[in-house]
Amino acid sequence: DTGVSQDPRHKITKRGQNVTFRCDPISEHNRLYWYRQTLGQGPEFLTYFQNEAQLEKSRLLSDRFSAERPKGSFSTLEIQRTEQGDSAMYLCASSLGLAAVVETQYFGPGTRLLVL
Amino acid sequence: DQQVKQNSPSLSVQEGRISILNCDYTNSMFDYFLWYKKYPAEGPTFLISISSIKDKNEDGRFTVFLNKSAKHLSLHIVPSQPGDSAVYFCAASARGGGSNYKLTFGKGTLLTVNP
Repeated sequence: DTGVSQDPRHKITKRGQNVTFRCDPISEHNRLYWYRQTLGQGPEFLTYFQNEAQLEKSRLLSDRFSAERPKGSFSTLEIQRTEQGDSAMYLCASSLGLAAVVETQYFGPGTRLLVL
Repeated sequence: DQQVKQNSPSLSVQEGRISILNCDYTNSMFDYFLWYKKYPAEGPTFLISISSIKDKNEDGRFTVFLNKSAKHLSLHIVPSQPGDSAVYFCAASARGGGSNYKLTFGKGTLLTVNP
């Protein structure tokens, strides 16, 4: 399978704990995105990497959130001191960004986080 | 401020008939539009897209129409099949402004195709 993969698929944690999610994009894709989806809503943009550079962060991404993409391959999203409001599906997407070419983002299966 | 709106939370159609899902947007900078299908507990799956330089794009049973003056797009599925039952998301991107390629999504429409 050469699609976007995410690990873990489900995570249950207690309020105040730290959690880390991993995303492996499609291998040749240079752009990687994190989104969050809550019940009844569409996915909302969190942050975006081009290769290893984090180029944009949404205001939804509080100081408790940090994302990395070392070496421009896989990415991690860490949430520190989790709160119940962090409960959501966290989606990763990747795309092949070429100048002047329309690009399509392909999504992974998501990590569902439940904070108790 | 919701920039992409899907005003119908749900739609029910009979197998074999046409399904029409609608989407409106407010940001005139959007120039690329996509439709995704999502099953429960899975990530969104790309269906079809359209650039603002076109008004129609077709792929098999799926056709997307774009009316830029009305800031409206629609997805037509003909003929509808029970396996099409899922949540459909409309998404938009403003690529012309530089490096920002993020997608802005609507809230989705639950399509149910009855056998």
